[in-house]
Amino acid sequence: EVQLVESGGGLVKPGGSLRLSCAASGFTFSSYSMNWVRQAPGKGLEWVSSISSSSSYIYYADSVKGRFTISRDNAKNSLYLQMNSLRAEDTAVYYCARATGDYWGQGTLVTVSS
Amino acid sequence: DIVMTQSPDSLAVSLGERATINCKSSQSVLYSSNNKNYLAWYQQKPGQPPKLLIYWASTRESGVPDRFSGSGSGTDFTLTISSLQAEDVAVYYCQQYYSTLRYTFGQGTKLEIK
Repeated sequence: EVQLVESGGGLVKPGGSLRLSCAASGFTFSSYSMNWVRQAPGKGLEWVSSISSSSSYIYYADSVKGRFTISRDNAKNSLYLQMNSLRAEDTAVYYCARATGDYWGQGTLVTVSS
Repeated sequence: DIVMTQSPDSLAVSLGERATINCKSSQSVLYSSNNKNYLAWYQQKPGQPPKLLIYWASTRESGVPDRFSGSGSGTDFTLTISSLQAEDVAVYYCQQYYSTLRYTFGQGTKLEIK
């Protein structure tokens, strides 16, 4: 069974940092590109970042470029999102998902507030 | 970036009636080399991650009821629910994946029972 389990969310002050993790299982993680997608409270889905299977290609939404860094460890079947210089508008549930869109985690809530 | 615009923002339909949601992309998402439209539809219920319904604009994901169908090509797409059921109340999103690893979503359409 395919599973994606996010962790690392929580409450952080503006300007702070947080590292999200996504543990993958049930499929050959190293064969798939992966995404981070977020959803602010009561709002729609926003694509955040994507990484190709071998980390050769990485893209970010303009809203997070220069502040967030996506990475992966295929040996550990894990996806990461390092979030720096956090702002109130980064408050959201962060989902990891296979780039094919067919599997998503349950999400982890990041709240940026003083 | 490709901008996705859905209409309407919300929709109320009687049980058993047809529901139609539209999605327009700011540029064509039809890839000429394989004649495929890089367009997906998702359903999201409260407190849950999005669920993939349709990919390649018209291919139903495994397990999705056949009352859900997708159509369109180029820049204009439609999700149709042929006979609305109570469990179809949700927010529906279109997403383009034409821009490899730089995905964008529509703003969402909230579907309710009339």
